[in-house]
Amino acid sequence: DAGVIQSPRHEVTEMGQEVTLRCKPISGHDYLFWYRQTMMRGLELLIYFNNNVPIDDSGMPEDRFSAKMPNASFSTLKIQPSEPRDSAVYFCASSFGLIQAFFGQGTRLTVV
Amino acid sequence: DAKTTQPPSMDCAEGRAANLPCNHSTISGNEYVYWYRQIHSQGPQYIIHGLKNNETNEMASLIITEDRKSSTLILPHATLRDTAVYYCIVRVAGGLNNNAGNMLTFGGGTRLMVKP
Repeated sequence: DAGVIQSPRHEVTEMGQEVTLRCKPISGHDYLFWYRQTMMRGLELLIYFNNNVPIDDSGMPEDRFSAKMPNASFSTLKIQPSEPRDSAVYFCASSFGLIQAFFGQGTRLTVV
Repeated sequence: DAKTTQPPSMDCAEGRAANLPCNHSTISGNEYVYWYRQIHSQGPQYIIHGLKNNETNEMASLIITEDRKSSTLILPHATLRDTAVYYCIVRVAGGLNNNAGNMLTFGGGTRLMVKP
């Protein structure tokens, strides 16, 4: 397996634009997590899914953020409209059960 | 509310053992100790986890004190590629309950610098 695949690796966008980050989890994994990492706040859990169902989105900063998992092999994190303070590295991770999570390489988002 | 306490940084000479401490004095009986690391510009990587017995795998050893209030991650022969931020996390493992205690919550970690 190629591991957790995120796209794009880098995204630069203008303030106010919509941004969509994508994640393909490891096949067979039933949990999917979205994290955000900044220098100031470290790694923060935004939302996680179990069997494609959102379980806890309490980490999502505000209504501008939304996440979906239409099937077991794909998830998106959308920011609309984007703001400069959303600039961060966004990680997707997946796991089978809750033993060991595998992280993707991340998407570095820059909002100018 | 931080569940673990780690030194912010440590140095280690290449080829020597790196011993990374972690305090988790409020750990519950059903919580495991997990270690992850994050090499620069990469996603976090699982290293090892344990409940109360010492554990060893191809990457590292985990030593947990008898009272479970602290643990040490040991990299037996550190290399330059082991330079990373190491995170100690306590969580309930493998549970089917969808609650916050099951989640990976990352603190500040220890920045390990392996020097030639």
